[in-house]
Amino acid sequence: EVQLVQSGAEVKKPGESLKISCEASGYSFSSYWIAWVRQMPEKGLEWVGIIYPSDSDARYSPSFQGQVTISADRSINTAYLQWTSLKASDSAIYYCARRSMSYHYFDFWGHGTLVTVSS
Amino acid sequence: DIQMTQSPSSLSASVGDRVTITCRASRDISNSLAWYQHVPGKAPKLLLFAAPRLASGVPSRFSGSGSATHYTLTITSLQPEDFATYYCQQYYSAPWTFGQGTKVEIK
Repeated sequence: EVQLVQSGAEVKKPGESLKISCEASGYSFSSYWIAWVRQMPEKGLEWVGIIYPSDSDARYSPSFQGQVTISADRSINTAYLQWTSLKASDSAIYYCARRSMSYHYFDFWGHGTLVTVSS
Repeated sequence: DIQMTQSPSSLSASVGDRVTITCRASRDISNSLAWYQHVPGKAPKLLLFAAPRLASGVPSRFSGSGSATHYTLTITSLQPEDFATYYCQQYYSAPWTFGQGTKVEIK
């Protein structure tokens, strides 16, 4: 059974750093792209970026380029999304999702990590 | 970027009703469209891809159709577990974009 288990909710102050995780199981982690998707409060879904764990090739939405970093550790089947300096506007739920084998839709999702940035 | 516009943004329906949600793309996406169901607090779930193709394990009361810029998701005979928010997503061209969502509520 494919599972994506995300790290727990975080409360941070503006300017702090953060790294959230997504641990995959039930399939070959290196063989599928993993994406991150943001959902701001009362808003829809936005694609943040994606990584291919086999070679750590990461691509970003232009809206998020330079704002976040996506990485992966194949040895522990885990993908990460990190910030070096959080802003209040980064407050959102962040989902990881597995991209299908052949096309850029997402066939399995994590439950989401709530990130709250507040002074 | 390709803009995806869903309508309606919300609707109220009863168990057993037929529900149709529309998704329009700002340009031709050649059936590169997926639909997702999202219940708050749970992981979003893939329902359909390539416009009409049902994802594994999804009940046949869900169906999709459309072409070019206009797509629809239909739920025949709405069930209690179907009350959720539904999103379309185009995967024709990066950045991959979602509609703003349609919330299906109990009447």
